[in-house]
Amino acid sequence: DAMVIQNPRYQVTQFGKPVTLSCSQTLNHNVMYWYQQKSSQAPKLLFHYYDKDFNNEADTPDNFQSRRPNTSFCFLDIRSPGLGDAAMYLCATSRDVGDRRGNEQFFGPGTRLTVL
Amino acid sequence: QKEVEQNSGPLSVPEGAIASLNCTYSDRVSQSFFWYRQYSGKSPELIMSIYSNGDKEDGRFTAQLNKASQYVSLLIRDSQPSDSATYLCAVIDFGNEKLTFGTGTRLTIIP
Repeated sequence: DAMVIQNPRYQVTQFGKPVTLSCSQTLNHNVMYWYQQKSSQAPKLLFHYYDKDFNNEADTPDNFQSRRPNTSFCFLDIRSPGLGDAAMYLCATSRDVGDRRGNEQFFGPGTRLTVL
Repeated sequence: QKEVEQNSGPLSVPEGAIASLNCTYSDRVSQSFFWYRQYSGKSPELIMSIYSNGDKEDGRFTAQLNKASQYVSLLIRDSQPSDSATYLCAVIDFGNEKLTFGTGTRLTIIP
């Protein structure tokens, strides 16, 4: 089945210790997104890739970086995690080909990040 | 700034009844509308997409869109305990690949 996969599902890191979260997809979608979601809040978009074009949200801290080496994979790097970065990190994809159905976003299972 | 508003709930509905979830949006150029279901500790799951005024039915779910009044709703018929979750409304402008989410409505189905 085509899907969005995130690894690891749970990540524990120490304050200030860099961490990398990964996302892969078999949907062959051209757009990939990273969201941060904290308890009882809506997902917050951090950035997205439209093909290879990187789009950063204005309020995304510099501590968060992303890489998309190819169509299938995307990584979220948190350079110096703080206690406030503990959250669920969600990867999503969409196939934006100029029609409305292409707006549909499909989420991976998420990575729960704990910062000690 | 585009806003999407939902009643945060919790909304409690008896099993077998109709659950009605509502969402309003501020931007008249919004073109695509989505309902996501999110179980506690899980990721959002797309359950309905609607693009045109009127109703769209899929099994026990019906999405309703009224662009003139800028609202979109989700009806869940024959509610089941497994429908207990947070429901997120999301909107997008045509040609814009970014979703704007509401804060979600927490729904509890009471057996």
